Amino acid sequence: DGGITQSPKYLFRKEGQNVTLSCEQNLNHDAMYWYRQDPGQGLRLIYYSQIVNDFQKGDIAEGYSVSREKKESFPLTVTSAQKNPTAFYLCASSRPGQGNTEAFFGQGTRLTVV
Amino acid sequence: AQSVSQHNHHVILSEAASLELGCNYSYGGTVNLFWYVQYPGQHLQLLLKYFSGDPLVKGIKGFEAEFIKSKFSFNLRKPSVQWSDTAEYFCALWMNRDDKIIFGKGTRLHILP
Repeated sequence: DGGITQSPKYLFRKEGQNVTLSCEQNLNHDAMYWYRQDPGQGLRLIYYSQIVNDFQKGDIAEGYSVSREKKESFPLTVTSAQKNPTAFYLCASSRPGQGNTEAFFGQGTRLTVV
Repeated sequence: AQSVSQHNHHVILSEAASLELGCNYSYGGTVNLFWYVQYPGQHLQLLLKYFSGDPLVKGIKGFEAEFIKSKFSFNLRKPSVQWSDTAEYFCALWMNRDDKIIFGKGTRLHILP
């Protein structure tokens, strides 16, 4: 089955710890995205990547980091510098630059800081 | 700054009522526009999309949207809603120069049986 896999589904972290959220896709898409979803805030863009070994900051990149070493994978690290990390995180992928594209989403990871 | 604005945060309707959800964007370049839906406990699904051509686009489940370039709008409509349309709806914008997709804050739709 083609799609986007995010793991884990639920994640608990102690304050002060870094945590990495996994996102893997087998759709052969070049572009990948990380969004954060909070009630009443919609989806806010954290980071995005159009090609391997390159990525750009979105609107709320502070306290987060990413890597794009492989086309299929785009992990997100939530660092201890992120002041309010408890949220629902969504990964997406799309074909970039063609104009005839849409974002395909994973099931999300719910992160709770305890 | 680039942005997507959804006018209604929470809409409550009775079954069979007509629906229109507003979406405006701020961007001067070429755009693609989308409406996504998130049913309770489920992941985001694409309802419909506009790339070019006919500004009136039809999507799944009887939804349609009209792109009005002069108004920077992409409103979602459905002539007669059903209880199963209860969900959160997101308008999204792809921008050609930045090659990224941004979303509005969403509209939570509640249909009364």
